[in-house]
Amino acid sequence: GAVVSQHPSWVICKSGTSVKIECRSLDFQATTMFWYRQFPKQSLMLMATSNEGSKATYEQGVEKDKFLINHASLTLSTLTVTSAHPEDSSFYICSASGTSYTDTQYFGPGTRLTVL
Amino acid sequence: DQQVKQNSPSLSVQEGRISILNCDYTNSMFDYFLWYKKYPAEGPTFLISISSIKDKNEDGRFTVFLNKSAKHLSLHIVPSQPGDSAVYFCAASVSGNQFYFGTGTSLTVIP
Repeated sequence: GAVVSQHPSWVICKSGTSVKIECRSLDFQATTMFWYRQFPKQSLMLMATSNEGSKATYEQGVEKDKFLINHASLTLSTLTVTSAHPEDSSFYICSASGTSYTDTQYFGPGTRLTVL
Repeated sequence: DQQVKQNSPSLSVQEGRISILNCDYTNSMFDYFLWYKKYPAEGPTFLISISSIKDKNEDGRFTVFLNKSAKHLSLHIVPSQPGDSAVYFCAASVSGNQFYFGTGTSLTVIP
């Protein structure tokens, strides 16, 4: 089955620094990748949808200058949390799919970010 | 390889009947399991969870059953309602460290 990996799985950083999280589809080409943030009660908030080769579409309320998303290839998308603050501490999960959000989504295992 | 599998990509059920969604996993270290419900263009919303110390957890119309020996969990929805039509994902983790999701089952409840 399709596998999506995320790296790193856990990162601790100081306030004000930037952190990059990678999301890779290991055995299929992901035209579309999604980035989620996990909140208490475990619900996942969709942050943005990225299509390979084009700019990401951000959901309302998500700062595009703070959460930079790059989907440069069909197997890799990156999320960079710029100038991270403690309130950005969270679990970030990516998923990958084919050409549409209605296609099957394969989720990555998530990255736990802790900002001190 | 997928550590969490949902082998039925879709399921159709008549309104008022029971919906049973299944999920299998391979990692015996998983001790926390969740079910999510997802509508198109939205993030998955948390439905119900169960830890490995239990074999059943109930919340209203939703009940999750865990069979550790079979590495199998299921979500029962009864009675099913048209508003339950969505994609359901199961997920598993080891003490909340990283979550492994299934590929989802699309449930259609027919009025």
